[in-house]
Amino acid sequence: GENVEQHPSTLSVQEGDSAVIKCTYSDSASNYFPWYKQELGKRPQLIIDIRSNVGEKKDQRIAVTLNKTAKHFSLHITETQPEDSAVYFCAASESGGYNKLIFGAGTRLAVHP
Amino acid sequence: GAVVSQHPSWVICKSGTSVKIECRSLDFQATTMFWYRQFPKQSLMLMATSNEGSKATYEQGVEKDKFLINHASLTLSTLTVTSAHPEDSSFYICSARDIRYSGEKLFFGSGTQLSVL
Repeated sequence: GENVEQHPSTLSVQEGDSAVIKCTYSDSASNYFPWYKQELGKRPQLIIDIRSNVGEKKDQRIAVTLNKTAKHFSLHITETQPEDSAVYFCAASESGGYNKLIFGAGTRLAVHP
Repeated sequence: GAVVSQHPSWVICKSGTSVKIECRSLDFQATTMFWYRQFPKQSLMLMATSNEGSKATYEQGVEKDKFLINHASLTLSTLTVTSAHPEDSSFYICSARDIRYSGEKLFFGSGTQLSVL
């Protein structure tokens, strides 16, 4: 089955700096890669996603890049703000069947004013 | 986005009792729902895939007799933790796909914090 690795586990940046979180996946047939933001005690919220036929996608301060050949994808947050502080999870959709989402271990992002 | 409602948000129970958690898709139909478990400061671990009108599909290592899943309608899936023990204490969260979004986007319920004494 699919295996997703995520780095770093923690990330601390100053307000206004950029943050980058990286993930790798194992199943070359996976074709959908979402990113979720989870605040303490709350549900994960989908913030951006990308399909395997696209190399990059951007939504305001958030962007995701995908390298199918290397089987890795990254989340880029520019001009970080304190409210960006949360745990971010990447995921890959396992091919076949119900396209189950397999999550990375998560990255705890802290943005300091 | 789609709305997934989960109830209760937290529950405390005695060891040996059973607890039922409900997951509802409020504004869409979900033939498939997913149940995840999350320990503090850890990732979301897929427990099982809930299918409307058929048996759930469990991930390796998940006891099907302990975590009973019923998906009786297109908008409701339930997870029952039977004979709960302290090690079952965790954050349980359901999710569902809304086919209006090309069947890919997964939306989560608000989660249930289970504490077994």
